[in-house]
Amino acid sequence: DQQVKQNSPSLSVQEGRISILNCDYTNSMFDYFLWYKKYPAEGPTFLISISSIKDKNEDGRFTVFLNKSAKHLSLHIVPSQPGDSAVYFCAADFSGNTPLVFGKGTRLSVIA
Amino acid sequence: DAGVIQSPRHEVTEMGQEVTLRCKPISGHNSLFWYRQTMMRGLELLIYFNNNVPIDDSGMPEDRFSAKMPNASFSTLKIQPSEPRDSAVYFCASLSGNEQFFGPGTRLTVL
Repeated sequence: DQQVKQNSPSLSVQEGRISILNCDYTNSMFDYFLWYKKYPAEGPTFLISISSIKDKNEDGRFTVFLNKSAKHLSLHIVPSQPGDSAVYFCAADFSGNTPLVFGKGTRLSVIA
Repeated sequence: DAGVIQSPRHEVTEMGQEVTLRCKPISGHNSLFWYRQTMMRGLELLIYFNNNVPIDDSGMPEDRFSAKMPNASFSTLKIQPSEPRDSAVYFCASLSGNEQFFGPGTRLTVL
């Protein structure tokens, strides 16, 4: 049973437009959420995170929104750039030295 | 720091052979994780260590898989005997705070 779900395996967006990647989770005990970005032939790299005590965190073109009542978070990229084309993984954490729980990823293609 | 180092980057082997994947975590990170990435299942946690001690190996698919961490700077993931369905990318990650830092992965192909 997947605790972190990314229901869209892929997404295509035109350059300059907004990309919205969605993630749902089932375990209300998660208290920290992260987004990782993965290029081909590389390991995932940390992109942005949010604590469960917040509902929004912004870093440049990237904003993560958290809706705890809906157990839903989303990553917004605006404006999207071709270099943003990658697989994006949503991850959740209980805190402490525990492993992150990952979604299956969403492949974003930004078309010039 | 060079980040998490994994070797080899690519491994092609024949069914039945033993495969050993290696990982050097970032110095000072006390937790190390092994993941497997496949199209069907995404990133699956196989096993993780805290202070060189295996904490949870429930993700290890079968007895053919084993992992060790003899010291704070080295870990191995071994598959013996390997099977074609083991073909995947295997990632090692180490932890600082809430953020896991991933190695570049080892792409394993079992023919």
